[in-house]
Amino acid sequence: QVQLQQWGAGLLKPSETLSLTCAVYGGSFSGYYWGWIRQPPGKGLEWIGEINHSGSTNYNPSLKSRVTISVESSKNQFSLKLSSVTAADTAVYHCARGWGTTAGTYYYYMDVWGKGTTVTVSS
Amino acid sequence: SSELTQDPAVSVALGQTIRITCQGDSLRRYYASWYQQKPGQAPVLVIYGKNNRPSGIPDRFSGSSSGNTASLTITGAQAEDEADYYCNSRDSSGNHYVFGTGTKVSVL
Repeated sequence: QVQLQQWGAGLLKPSETLSLTCAVYGGSFSGYYWGWIRQPPGKGLEWIGEINHSGSTNYNPSLKSRVTISVESSKNQFSLKLSSVTAADTAVYHCARGWGTTAGTYYYYMDVWGKGTTVTVSS
Repeated sequence: SSELTQDPAVSVALGQTIRITCQGDSLRRYYASWYQQKPGQAPVLVIYGKNNRPSGIPDRFSGSSSGNTASLTITGAQAEDEADYYCNSRDSSGNHYVFGTGTKVSVL
């Protein structure tokens, strides 16, 4: 059974860089996209971006200028960096496994999620 | 447009059927996936593709799609189904995910 374990700093000051890592246990690392999603307090889910085992990335256009997602396939880990954080970046950040197909039918989903890391940006 | 729109809140009597809808242009090309989220917990995938349930998801959850609208139906809602529900799909470019605005389901 695949499990995702995530960690990183939970309290940041404005202008600092958010840094989180997610480790994948119990399953294949290749063949999937590995993503980050966040949820501000009391609000909905926002997709941040994703990476595959070979390092190919896709980012949310609204965050692209500040986001870097990297992968360390030898350790089955991937990481998120979000620069120049402000209070608006305060949220619970989840990592997740994604998969999709465009062969015949078109669908994508995220089926395994990390428990989430609460990140607070405050001076 | 890359937006997915959901009704903010819906209520259902215990044991009755509820349908949650999600509208967006990208749904003309991509099937939606649906997620259940309870307070303080990570989202859980309940429906993906045309109408597929991951292992462990009760068969009272089902999905359907027509045009630019995807629907999640709970047939015989249970108290434990009270949660927020989000739809999700790729956007029209195919390179990004987009989440729906979320629907809070109350079971009365």
